[in-house]
Amino acid sequence: AQSVSQHNHHVILSEAASLELGCNYSYGGTVNLFWYVQYPGQHLQLLLKYFSGDPLVKGIKGFEAEFIKSKFSFNLRKPSVQWSDTAEYFCAEGGGGADGLTFGKGTHLIIQP
Amino acid sequence: KAGVTQTPRYLIKTRGQQVTLSCSPISGHRSVSWYQQTPGQGLQFLFEYFSETQRNKGNFPGRFSGRQFSNSRSEMNVSTLELGDSALYLCASSLVGGHGYTFGSGTRLTVV
Repeated sequence: AQSVSQHNHHVILSEAASLELGCNYSYGGTVNLFWYVQYPGQHLQLLLKYFSGDPLVKGIKGFEAEFIKSKFSFNLRKPSVQWSDTAEYFCAEGGGGADGLTFGKGTHLIIQP
Repeated sequence: KAGVTQTPRYLIKTRGQQVTLSCSPISGHRSVSWYQQTPGQGLQFLFEYFSETQRNKGNFPGRFSGRQFSNSRSEMNVSTLELGDSALYLCASSLVGGHGYTFGSGTRLTVV
């Protein structure tokens, strides 16, 4: 069965710090990879996605992620976080068909002003 | 364009009852998938529909079922509710599935 692992369940950073959230997936075939964010009281929003091509993907709000096939990783990065980035972040993998998305357990990010 | 609409937003049911949740996808989206979100298990895939056909189902008991109508709207049904079914149920739509999903705000189901 496919699985997605997110290394950190809780992360606390100060404003302007750099962010990297780890994500590893298990599926060995062609994968579609996603990062979603869930702000407090809001629905899941797509930050960015990777299907193919340039392994460095840029998303909304200054986020980016790098797909490293040899490491089965898709880590999320942001050079300078803001208080408004406080949210739950989910990495997900979709096999490109009818299997739906397999989500990681999520990382709760708290940005201290 | 309008997003994914889920109704109702909140629901309280008693053990043993059944419940039906509704999802209206983004106009033009033909794929609708459902997820259960709980603090302990996180987000888990329930099933996906495309053009009124269930294409895949997650690891949930048969009490969980769904359907999709010709206008792509979808419903999911949970029969014989258990306390453990208390969760946020999320619907997501996509043009064809597998290529980016837009999520609704969810239905918060509480079973008492």
